[in-house]
Amino acid sequence: AQTVTQSQPEMSVQEAETVTLSCTYDTSENNYYLFWYKQPPSRQMILVIRQEAYKQQNATENRFSVNFQKAAKSFSLKISDSQLGDTAMYFCAFMKQGTSGSRLTFGEGTQLTVNP
Amino acid sequence: DTGVSQDPRHKITKRGQNVTFRCDPISEHNRLYWYRQTLGQGPEFLTYFQNEAQLEKSRLLSDRFSAERPKGSFSTLEIQRTEQGDSAMYLCASSLGVISTDTQYFGPGTRLTVL
Repeated sequence: AQTVTQSQPEMSVQEAETVTLSCTYDTSENNYYLFWYKQPPSRQMILVIRQEAYKQQNATENRFSVNFQKAAKSFSLKISDSQLGDTAMYFCAFMKQGTSGSRLTFGEGTQLTVNP
Repeated sequence: DTGVSQDPRHKITKRGQNVTFRCDPISEHNRLYWYRQTLGQGPEFLTYFQNEAQLEKSRLLSDRFSAERPKGSFSTLEIQRTEQGDSAMYLCASSLGVISTDTQYFGPGTRLTVL
């Protein structure tokens, strides 16, 4: 079974600054995907970024980038130039690669607040 | 592009009543997932479908829960004899079903309150 751990229940950052959210996971699988989802207050879950485990290059999406350390089973999210709209709960999630689909296993979440 | 939709968005019911939720996935997505999220926690997997076939069920899905996807399009999740512990947000997600890009996209959820 897979587990995902987010050790930072809450974080805050000043607008325009950079913040890093931590995530570690445990799995015996070799082929899998990792995701960061964002859930703004009272709004639906939105995909922020994804990483394929077989890729060594870290994924980036505009102001969002990850630091994927496969051997350490670590998958952190860096948000650059933080904006007020980045305020949300952020979830790290794991999905093993399979031919017939697979569940997402989520961490407990990190509540990020961006202050003006 | 129409996203995943869920109905109703909110449901308040009394303990012991039955409730049914509906999920409409993104058009042409052949995989559909149900998750449950309690306050302050990450979503937990309940079950998923590939087309009309229910391929996996979590141990969280007790005998009081049943899910269907009769024509491989929309899905329903029914909870019989609701209990206060069933109070949660029920999330639906869908994915295209292509192995290399099987990202799940979520709906807005149905918030269930059992009194």
